[in-house]
Amino acid sequence: EAQVTQNPRYLITVTGKKLTVTCSQNMNHEYMSWYRQDPGLGLRQIYYSMNVEVTDKGDVPEGYKVSRKEKRNFPLILESPSPNQTSLYFCASSSQLAGGHEQFFGPGTRLTVL
Amino acid sequence: AQSVAQPEDQVNVAEGNPLTVKCTYSVSGNPYLFWYVQYPNRGLQFLLKYITGDNLVKGSYGFEAEFNKSQTSFHLKKPSALVSDSALYFCAVRDPSTGTASKLTFGTGTRLQVTL
Repeated sequence: EAQVTQNPRYLITVTGKKLTVTCSQNMNHEYMSWYRQDPGLGLRQIYYSMNVEVTDKGDVPEGYKVSRKEKRNFPLILESPSPNQTSLYFCASSSQLAGGHEQFFGPGTRLTVL
Repeated sequence: AQSVAQPEDQVNVAEGNPLTVKCTYSVSGNPYLFWYVQYPNRGLQFLLKYITGDNLVKGSYGFEAEFNKSQTSFHLKKPSALVSDSALYFCAVRDPSTGTASKLTFGTGTRLQVTL
């Protein structure tokens, strides 16, 4: 089944404790993105990647890091999480062949930073 | 810079009635426009897109959207709403002149509530 998977689905942590949210897709997509969803703000793009080793900042990159060492994986790293990073996070992927138009989203990771 | 506005936080409609969810956009060039739907505790699902061509585009689950360049709008419509259509709907825009296929800007979302 074609899908985007994220782990963990739920995470409660404390301020300053480094964490990684994994994202993996099995559709051989070139494009991958991370978004955060907050009430009243919709989805905002954190980082995106056009292909392996090619990443760029989205609209709200502060406090986050990403890497794209393999085509299928695009982990989101919070080096020192803070309470304002409490949010619902989505990973998405899309195909360069299809123009990148239709994004496939993962199920989401709900992060709480105490 | 590209942006999109969804002026209604919530739309209420009775089952069987037509529905409209509004979206307006701002880009410097010709836009690529999208609608996504989010059901409770799920990720977003693609509904439809406008890239070029016919202003009326049809998508999944009987939804359609009309691109209006003069009004910079891309409203989502369905002739007859179902209770199962109740969800959160997001409009999104991409400015192809930026050359970045992954750079989508989403609206704040509109909650559609369909009642019996």
